[in-house]
Amino acid sequence: KNEVEQSPQNLTAQEGEFITINCSYSVGISALHWLQQHPGGGIVSLFMLSSGKKKHGRLIATINIQEKHSSLHITASHPRDSAVYICAANNYGGSQGNLIFGKGTKLSVKP
Amino acid sequence: GAGVSQSPSNKVTEKGKDVELRCDPISGHTALYWYRQRLGQGLEFLIYFQGNSAPDKSGLPSDRFSAERTGESVSTLTIQRTQQEDSAVYLCASSLAGSRYNEQFFGPGTRLTVL
Repeated sequence: KNEVEQSPQNLTAQEGEFITINCSYSVGISALHWLQQHPGGGIVSLFMLSSGKKKHGRLIATINIQEKHSSLHITASHPRDSAVYICAANNYGGSQGNLIFGKGTKLSVKP
Repeated sequence: GAGVSQSPSNKVTEKGKDVELRCDPISGHTALYWYRQRLGQGLEFLIYFQGNSAPDKSGLPSDRFSAERTGESVSTLTIQRTQQEDSAVYLCASSLAGSRYNEQFFGPGTRLTVL
C-alpha cells in the first residue's frame, strides 16, 4: 500500500463543474503539497499546507490532520485546468526534502 | 531568468555511457531537490541539498547515481554506466529553505533516453 494515495486516478468533468480530488496518507506528516503537472510536463506548486484550508483563486485545499486526509477543490472548472494533480507529503520523520508522492490524478475538463 | 533552469532539455545516450545533468536553482534558494519521473509513473525523490548540510541521498536508486552542489548554486546529477531503466524525466526544484515550510519551484526537466 502506498503511503500517499490519491483518488480518483482519472477524472473527466464538464466545464463549470465543481471538482474534488482526494489524498490520503498513512504517515505522520509535517506538511502536504499539491502540485499541478501540465500536459507538457511542467510542474507548478499550488499549495503547501499543514493545517486548515488555503484558497487561491478557484482552487481550495483543505487538510484534516486527524483523519490524515487532504482535498483539492476546483470551482467553476475550465478546460485549462486539465492537468495531472499530485499530492505529496513531507514525512514527519524524514528530512525536509524527502517528499512522498501520490501517483497523481489526471483531470480532463471538457468544454 | 527568474526560474529554475535545467540543461540539457533532452539527452539521448547509449547504454553504458555516463551522463551529467545540470540544475540552476533560483538565486537565494538554499534548498535544492532532484526527482525522477519514469514514463507513466509518479515522481520519485532522489536527493536533497540544504545549505551546507550533508545532503539527503536516501532516494538515489543505486551507486551509479551521484549529485553535487556548489555552495548554494548549481547542482549536477551524474549517472554512470547508464541503463535503459534510467530513462526518465529528471526534475530539479528549489525552495527558500526546506519543503516543510516552503513551496518548491520546479525546473522544466531533462528528458533522458537510454538506448
